[in-house]
Amino acid sequence: NAGVMQNPRHLVRRRGQEARLRCSPMKGHSHVYWYRQLPEEGLKFMVYLQKENIIDESGMPKERFSAEFPKEGPSILRIQQVVRGDSAAYFCASSPTRTGVQPQHFGDGTRLSIL
Amino acid sequence: AQSVTQLGSHVSVSEGALVLLRCNYSSSVPPYLFWYVQYPNQGLQLLLKYTSAATLVKGINGFEAEFKKSETSFHLTKPSAHMSDAAEYFCAVSDPDTGANSKLTFGKGITLSVRP
Repeated sequence: NAGVMQNPRHLVRRRGQEARLRCSPMKGHSHVYWYRQLPEEGLKFMVYLQKENIIDESGMPKERFSAEFPKEGPSILRIQQVVRGDSAAYFCASSPTRTGVQPQHFGDGTRLSIL
Repeated sequence: AQSVTQLGSHVSVSEGALVLLRCNYSSSVPPYLFWYVQYPNQGLQLLLKYTSAATLVKGINGFEAEFKKSETSFHLTKPSAHMSDAAEYFCAVSDPDTGANSKLTFGKGITLSVRP
């Protein structure tokens, strides 16, 4: 059983470029969550999606950040016009149902570095 | 809003000693509680979860945690530390009454070091 797959593992971008982070959930999981981990901090929730729907985006910055989870293919977290403060590890998690009954399974993350 | 407090950022124990990592939460209703472990440059791995069944929860790698509603705590313990336990540990909560809003709220994490 493949786990949650994230790619790329490491991504380097220059200020002003776009960053696209991909997440393929575990087989049979239709709930996807994105979290951001800044240095020396815990994970902070960003967005929760089900297939083709954004359920909760209360943790997403108002500008430059967007997320999607299409009917086919991986979930994408997109950061436009990146700035140095976007440097962080971005983790995706998936579950077959809403959390609490089934725990979220995490990918290994994408480490984004902004030059 | 829910919150999780993990006191201290670093705990150091000797190999074979008791491991105790503290977690306190604030929630309007008894939440679901989780402990995750993160090794360097890896994702989070679930150690154990509490979902309103038995208050003493056993997890992987010899870890266990006890839910104490009166103390709003969910401390993680292991009787005898092993060198391979050195990692960062996160406590997290989710609110079972929020329906589709099932995000996890994490503590800041505790780094566990194990001395030979």
